[in-house]
Amino acid sequence: GQSLEQPSEVTAVEGAIVQINCTYQTSGFYGLSWYQQHDGGAPTFLSYNALDGLEETGRFSSFLSRSDSYGYLLLQELQMKDSASYFCAPQDDKIIFGKGTRLHILP
Amino acid sequence: EPEVTQTPSHQVTQMGQEVILRCVPISNHLYFYWYRQILGQKVEFLVSFYNNEISEKSEIFDDQFSVERPDGSNFTLKIRSTKLEDSAMYFCASNADSNQPQHFGDGTRLSIL
Repeated sequence: GQSLEQPSEVTAVEGAIVQINCTYQTSGFYGLSWYQQHDGGAPTFLSYNALDGLEETGRFSSFLSRSDSYGYLLLQELQMKDSASYFCAPQDDKIIFGKGTRLHILP
Repeated sequence: EPEVTQTPSHQVTQMGQEVILRCVPISNHLYFYWYRQILGQKVEFLVSFYNNEISEKSEIFDDQFSVERPDGSNFTLKIRSTKLEDSAMYFCASNADSNQPQHFGDGTRLSIL
């Protein structure tokens, strides 16, 4: 079967660092994508890990361990505009979205 | 940066009518997808499309739905005889290869009255 686990909510302070963890179980797996979605908006692609290790894109980094079926998204120097929902998305021939993690940023 | 574009941004339709949602995927992409998101719920996969045929479809994608690539740039989702529960955001996505990340359009908000 398929399953996806990430925290439902995370709260952090502006300027801080936050890590959103994800564990998954899927039948097929090419890699792990991360998407950001603001209320009423579209999923915006943030990062993709096809191989184990860390991928860095500006303030955002993503990590994957295939053997552990685990990944995380690291957001640094948090800004108020980072308040949104974040989705880890195991990818095979389609994306399976979970309920995501709602990130609240406090000033 | 190239992007997926969707039209219209908002479609209001009477129940029972047909709607066509349009998408222009990124030009060098070969794999196309439709997803929907009912208000307050998670994004759900509807269908994937490659080489002019459906690759995979979810159980949501029943006979009421169809997809088409009418020309070299557009990718459409048709919903026949719309129902109230079809009201949702519909997102189109594309990628260059099925193992590459998908890029989403801004979506079409479909409201069925």
